[in-house]
Amino acid sequence: GAVVSQHPSWVICKSGTSVKIECRSLDFQATTMFWYRQFPKQSLMLMATSNEGSKATYEQGVEKDKFLINHASLTLSTLTVTSAHPEDSSFYICSARAQVSYGYTFGSGTRLTVV
Amino acid sequence: GENVEQHPSTLSVQEGDSAVIKCTYSDSASNYFPWYKQELGKRPQLIIDIRSNVGEKKDQRIAVTLNKTAKHFSLHITETQPEDSAVYFCAASTNAGKSTFGDGTTLTVKP
Repeated sequence: GAVVSQHPSWVICKSGTSVKIECRSLDFQATTMFWYRQFPKQSLMLMATSNEGSKATYEQGVEKDKFLINHASLTLSTLTVTSAHPEDSSFYICSARAQVSYGYTFGSGTRLTVV
Repeated sequence: GENVEQHPSTLSVQEGDSAVIKCTYSDSASNYFPWYKQELGKRPQLIIDIRSNVGEKKDQRIAVTLNKTAKHFSLHITETQPEDSAVYFCAASTNAGKSTFGDGTTLTVKP
């Protein structure tokens, strides 16, 4: 149980374009999902908390207008990197927590390369 | 906010030896402490976790200990095998669900 699917697993885009990443909880409902970013050989840094039916909560230093988060249903959260630049190239990963559980499950991650 | 420190950053052991990774946290409200293993290019995988009402938890060759008073918790891997080589992350979480991760420990098990 507690499977989180993330799509796409990798994407290459041109500078200035936008990229959407999907995070789905397949066998449970997630009122809360988290988006992390991981640069090479570094730890996971929380970008934002995605809340179903309400606005996302962004961590300090994360531009909410650049990283758009939408959590329209209990099983889907999307992260859109707008006007991507090479410095946005990173590994983006989501995690979700079932409603009544402390356990967190990570998606498979998305490797974004902006050229 | 929460601050998690993890040591050592790299650890090299001989196959069959034990490995210990330690983390400290700052927020006394943190009550859930998972450990993740991340192989190169792959997602972090939860390997063991402990909640604040428990002092120790064991799962085969892996164990985690928690000292709430001192705000530190440790991962113990016994009888290490080459496939244990990976980056290990500790994390501290509160009821709000946000996880703060340590910087990671690169474990290398030499055959």
